[in-house]
Amino acid sequence: EVQLVESGGGLVQPGGSLRLSCEASGFTFSDDYMDWVRQAPGKGLEWVGRVRTKADSYSTEYAASVKDRFSISRDDSKNSLYLQMNSLKTEDTAVYYCARAPVGSGFNIWGQGTMVTVSS
Amino acid sequence: DIQMTQSPSTLSASVGDRVTITCRASQSVSVWLAWYQQKPGKAPNLLIYKASSLESGVPSRFSGSGFGTEFTLTISSLQPDDFATYYCQQSNSFPRTFGQGTRVEIK
Repeated sequence: EVQLVESGGGLVQPGGSLRLSCEASGFTFSDDYMDWVRQAPGKGLEWVGRVRTKADSYSTEYAASVKDRFSISRDDSKNSLYLQMNSLKTEDTAVYYCARAPVGSGFNIWGQGTMVTVSS
Repeated sequence: DIQMTQSPSTLSASVGDRVTITCRASQSVSVWLAWYQQKPGKAPNLLIYKASSLESGVPSRFSGSGFGTEFTLTISSLQPDDFATYYCQQSNSFPRTFGQGTRVEIK
């Protein structure tokens, strides 16, 4: 079965850090670009960032709202994607989704999401 | 950044209706436009990619069209399972951006 499973969400204080994980199965993870997308409670979808493949030097892109605070990485040997979140703000409170982003298509596989709450 | 604007924000319709949602980009995105359906508490689901390509497994009542800055998602005959929120998203440039969403509700 093709799936993505996120983990690592939870409650964190402003200024704190959290690391999300996303484990892939059912497809060749190392062949695909992977993205993170978030959704604040009751709001729309916001793209967070991307990590490309080894062939593209694992290069990354970030939304301006998270650049210099968040870092995306991957471990192809573990079929896993990561989102390291530092200096968290209350406005980072959201459900975080990982998504497969094949070239020429949309986000065609999504995880179930993991909730991150930033609050004192 | 490319701004994506959907209209309407909310749409009331009945089962069997033909429904059209519009998405406008603040600058050309060529054909790099996708549509998603999202139900409460669930992850989005890809419906259409590259403006008009139907994702595998998506019912043929969904169709997409457009190029450049104006795009439409059409549901030819609305079914009970289609009441949801729909988002457009551009993949022409970074940062990727989504429309604000269109909620399709029961009339």
